[in-house]
Parts: sequence; structure tokens; C-alpha cells
Amino acid sequence: QKEVEQNSGPLSVPEGAIASLNCTYSDRVSQSFFWYRQYSGKSPELIMSIYSNGDKEDGRFTAQLNKASQYVSLLIRDSQPSDSATYLCAVNPVGIQGAQKLVFGQGTRLTINP
Amino acid sequence: DGGITQSPKYLFRKEGQNVTLSCEQNLNHDAMYWYRQDPGQGLRLIYYSQIVNDFQKGDIAEGYSVSREKKESFPLTVTSAQKNPTAFYLCASSIEGVQPQHFGDGTRLSIL
Repeated sequence: QKEVEQNSGPLSVPEGAIASLNCTYSDRVSQSFFWYRQYSGKSPELIMSIYSNGDKEDGRFTAQLNKASQYVSLLIRDSQPSDSATYLCAVNPVGIQGAQKLVFGQGTRLTINP
Repeated sequence: DGGITQSPKYLFRKEGQNVTLSCEQNLNHDAMYWYRQDPGQGLRLIYYSQIVNDFQKGDIAEGYSVSREKKESFPLTVTSAQKNPTAFYLCASSIEGVQPQHFGDGTRLSIL
């Protein structure tokens, strides 16, 4: 089992709808979770961090964390064509302060259709 | 303007040649990282460093070497032992003890 798993997609969503991206992880003691957006040919850009169970909202983005079920998700409301990108889930598998290794999923390619 | 600078943007390697990718940051971050990304794949950790003069191997360190002589700089050398070096190389940094990681613009390495 991979440490961090994402559906590679492509995920196609109509403009204005909600895009839902999911990520599961294998290490139960993981403490920190991140979503990065990567446009084609560019480097990843951090869009959300979440550290505790529940929802965290930032503008049109909501991250959801469920440590008991070992999944983290990203919701994008009112999807725009500019949201079309690959979304990478990253997990700190140990959570020991200073040991800041991140494990990345393979990414989900999202396409927003006008 | 604070950030992470990677150079060059594109690099070509000849057979048997070592090449060095530069990564400089002015964010005063303690930790720095090198990742490799292949087409359609996620990021794989090559090496990371949490303090000057110390670094650790990541998941795919074979064929690569690094140094950390200054806090601001973490160059990556792709040696001739790395038989499949064609990839997108990303450097990242983070504040010690605080996440997350921020990335440079990357270097694309190809074989001539």
C-alpha cells in the first residue's frame, strides 16, 4: 500500500460546480496535511494546510481531515477554469518536530469545463 | 522579495558527465529539500537538510549528492551514476519545526 494515495483522474467538473478531491494515507500517527496546486510545467504552490480533525475553510477552498478514517479531502466551490491543474496531497508521516519529511501522492488532475 | 531561486531553468547532461543544480533561498529557512518529479507522477524526495553541514538521504538518493555549507544554499549534483536523470527537479525549504514547504520554480534536466 502506498503511503499517500490519490485518484490520478482526470476529474472533470463543470464551471461553477463543487470539485471534490480525496486523499488517503497509511501512517496513523501523521500530524500535518497539505494540499498543493501544480499548473502544467510549473512548481507546486501551497493552497491549504490542515492539522486537526474537521473542516478548514479559506475562500473557495475547504480542507477536511478525518484522522480516524485516515483521509483528507479538498473541496473547491464555484469552480473556475483557472482551477484546472493537478492537485497534490502531502502528508508528514511521522509528525516529529524537525523531521519535516513530506510524502506526496501522485496527484489528481482536475479539469474545469466552461 | 523573499523566495527560492533555482538555476538553471533548463539543463542538458552528456553521458558520463556530472551536473550541479543550484538552489538558493533568502527566507531564512533552516530546512531545505530536493525532489524529483517524473511526468504524471508525484514528488519523490532525494535529499534533505535540516541544518548547515548536515543532510539526510531521501527515498531515491542513489546517483545524487548534495552539500549544505551555507544556510541559504543547497546544491544538488546529478552524477554519472544516475542512469535515468531526465526529470523535473524541485527545491523546497521550510522553517525548522514549522511546516509547510515552499518550492522554487524547478530545473528541467535532460540527456543529450
